[in-house]
Amino acid sequence: KAGVTQTPRYLIKTRGQQVTLSCSPISGHRSVSWYQQTPGQGLQFLFEYFSETQRNKGNFPGRFSGRQFSNSRSEMNVSTLELGDSALYLCASSLSQVGTDTQYFGPGTRLTVL
Amino acid sequence: QKEVEQNSGPLSVPEGAIASLNCTYSDRVSQSFFWYRQYSGKSPELIMSIYSNGDKEDGRFTAQLNKASQYVSLLIRDSQPSDSATYLCAVFKAAGNKLTFGGGTRVLVKP
Repeated sequence: KAGVTQTPRYLIKTRGQQVTLSCSPISGHRSVSWYQQTPGQGLQFLFEYFSETQRNKGNFPGRFSGRQFSNSRSEMNVSTLELGDSALYLCASSLSQVGTDTQYFGPGTRLTVL
Repeated sequence: QKEVEQNSGPLSVPEGAIASLNCTYSDRVSQSFFWYRQYSGKSPELIMSIYSNGDKEDGRFTAQLNKASQYVSLLIRDSQPSDSATYLCAVFKAAGNKLTFGGGTRVLVKP
């Protein structure tokens, strides 16, 4: 079974630009969560989607948004990029429930904002 | 106070010894607890989950949960150099339906 895939793996953008990251979950998984990982703040929850609906959202500004498609693939968008948005963005998929089903992480997208 | 706290380390242990990692959480209604391992440059992978008070063993790993003290720990027995990684504690609350991660403990196993 193929694992969680994320594209692109690396991205360099400049301040003010916007970026879209993509995540394809494990086949059959309907829950997709997004996390931001930085050395200073660690792994922080962005949002979770289940069956095309955002089920929960973390404490991030509205510049961070996402969506999920009918095939469970998910995208995350960050508008008006800031230097502090430089981070590793991880998505994780699970069958259904985040609290009981194992979350499998993708390899991440390394975003650098110049 | 952070929701989930871990000592950042590094925790240095000799090969063959027991590594003991601790994690405390602030919200008493937390329901599920997880330990993830993250190698440098890699994504986290789940190694243990625990839902009720007591110990849970899986191979060389033992997770211990004490909800009254709001404390969860991970023991790694017979530590190997391949266990050198950052270990992340994660706590789940149904209210909010999200996992909150601690900052991680870096473990170094020296041959």
